[in-house]
Amino acid sequence: DTAVSQTPKYLVTQMGNDKSIKCEQNLGHDTMYWYKQDSKKFLKIMFSYNNKELIINETVPNRFSPKSPDKAHLNLHINSLELGDSAVYFCASSPLGVGEKLFFGSGTQLSVL
Amino acid sequence: GDSVTQMEGPVTLSEEAFLTINCTYTATGYPSLFWYVQYPGEGLQLLLKATKADDKGSNKGFEATYRKETTSFHLEKGSVQVSDSAVYFCAPGSGGSNYKLTFGKGTLLTVNP
Repeated sequence: DTAVSQTPKYLVTQMGNDKSIKCEQNLGHDTMYWYKQDSKKFLKIMFSYNNKELIINETVPNRFSPKSPDKAHLNLHINSLELGDSAVYFCASSPLGVGEKLFFGSGTQLSVL
Repeated sequence: GDSVTQMEGPVTLSEEAFLTINCTYTATGYPSLFWYVQYPGEGLQLLLKATKADDKGSNKGFEATYRKETTSFHLEKGSVQVSDSAVYFCAPGSGGSNYKLTFGKGTLLTVNP
């Protein structure tokens, strides 16, 4: 059983399109995250949800809209895709609490043409 | 906000060589400190962690010691293997109720036979 699963693994699309990435965790964790990794491997947090509530929003363009229907799911919808959105997007989860490690999904490679 | 400075990569070593990857951080308070590893095509996974000053985290032959006075958490391994080839990320974890890990650019390690 995969602990944190993301779909799709690869996403190729045209500029201006709208796309979604889905994430599910079966670990019973309270907190979920979206991170973006650029081509130079720099990994930056985008959002964090705790039990369906947004708790971190790191000045991400409002074309990006996360949605958490329940605490096991955190989806990412992106409107009007731009070339600069091309990256690998990672979902992660953790139990609530300082000092806890994150469990990562295997990533979604988004390519905007 | 929190930040991490890691040794610039790529780092290329021969098998059985000694490895050091330097990491310094800035963070509010006393964060937990983590090293994560990303193997090709995969998500990040925890390598080791330390939760307070002078703690040493260790796993798979890797070690790092939490140095509060120098705000550092350098990663070391006495004898690297080809299978250690990966990208390594140092990350402080802090923020209380807005807990998050702050990653940097990562350091690509290539170990040749």
